[in-house]
Amino acid sequence: EDQVTQSPEALRLQEGESSSLNCSYTVSGLRGLFWYRQDPGKGPEFLFTLYSAGEEKEKERLKATLTKKESFLHITAPKPEDSATYLCAVRSVQGAQKLVFGQGTRLTINP
Amino acid sequence: DAGITQSPRYKITETGRQVTLMCHQTWSHSYMFWYRQDLGHGLRLIYYSAAADITDKGEVPDGYVVSRSKTENFPLTLESATRSQTSVYFCASSDLDAANTGELFFGEGSRLTVL
Repeated sequence: EDQVTQSPEALRLQEGESSSLNCSYTVSGLRGLFWYRQDPGKGPEFLFTLYSAGEEKEKERLKATLTKKESFLHITAPKPEDSATYLCAVRSVQGAQKLVFGQGTRLTINP
Repeated sequence: DAGITQSPRYKITETGRQVTLMCHQTWSHSYMFWYRQDLGHGLRLIYYSAAADITDKGEVPDGYVVSRSKTENFPLTLESATRSQTSVYFCASSDLDAANTGELFFGEGSRLTVL
């Protein structure tokens, strides 16, 4: 059974204080690992797709990296508008179009 | 307006009643999905559809029924609502290319409370 575990559950940072969010996964043949951002009361919004170990993707202050067992979402010099819940999901070779999501990390950036 | 819309946004019902949550997308995306989001469980897939008249079960399909007679609509019906179905329900869509990249486009959610 495919599983995704995210840590920490919640993280509070000061503006400008860089940090990383973790996504550990167990999947029978990874076909993709995905990061989404979710604002309160809204649906998730797609950020990145990573396909293989060693791959990296960047968008503004966010950088996602992937190893064979986990992915990190690095946040550099965050701003208050980066506050959101960040979701990680995986899709397996057998999973067709099904994404399995983790529980998310709720990130708060204080000004 | 273009995009994906869900209705109603908020619904309160009683145990045993039938409830239908509507989802409409204007992109002509082939894939549509229903997820539920609960504290402690994250997003879990209920049903998905690859095209009109093609649906398949997800992780938690029991107690739910879907249909897709038109590409743009994907209603989710709770035939006899239970308290355990109190949740926030998200509809999502994608075309084949986006589905391969994992890029789903989500609606804003329908918050359902079953008393």
